[in-house]
Amino acid sequence: DVKVTQSSRYLVKRTGEKVFLECVQDMDHENMFWYRQDPGLGLRLIYFSYDVKMKEKGDIPEGYSVSREKKERFSLILESASTNQTSMYLCASTGRYEQYFGPGTRLTVT
Amino acid sequence: EDQVTQSPEALRLQEGESSSLNCSYTVSGLRGLFWYRQDPGKGPEFLFTLYSAGEEKEKERLKATLTKKESFLHITAPKPEDSATYLCAVQASRGTGNQFYFGTGTSLTVIP
Repeated sequence: DVKVTQSSRYLVKRTGEKVFLECVQDMDHENMFWYRQDPGLGLRLIYFSYDVKMKEKGDIPEGYSVSREKKERFSLILESASTNQTSMYLCASTGRYEQYFGPGTRLTVT
Repeated sequence: EDQVTQSPEALRLQEGESSSLNCSYTVSGLRGLFWYRQDPGKGPEFLFTLYSAGEEKEKERLKATLTKKESFLHITAPKPEDSATYLCAVQASRGTGNQFYFGTGTSLTVIP
């Protein structure tokens, strides 16, 4: 019954490293989203994509980029990781009537 | 400004003590209002989508309702396993796509 999967549950990276977070959905959804979640700040939208090779900036895109080469896969890239990017990263996939989240990736940048 | 506000921030209930969580919004172009349950360290779990004022959805001990400016999540006779953070989000049309605006959640604790 798995619908949205993320490549890692926990990740530890060093400052300056390039980090790839992958998200795969099996529901043939067109819309996919990347959020980060921090205590007291809730969910904040980083990027979203409404079609293959299409992407739109969310509220906090700085320091991030995305890639959507195939409909089922949406990747988030941290070009040069910094400590303020330590967070829980959540991918979501949206159909017409529902939105499903992945299990999240807890990223720690040291 | 597009905003979604949830109240209370935290709620402690005795097992069996019914209550309601509130989600109010000031978002234009509403497409739908979503409720989720989130357990610590996990991704949000989709519960309901409501589309128009007057609509209601039920799932076990949970019932969600929607008015023009707010939604309520009613919890009837809660059990300890209902303890979680409950999030609401408003889906709105933006440009060529849809965007979600999230509240910061209500943390529910049900005491046996």
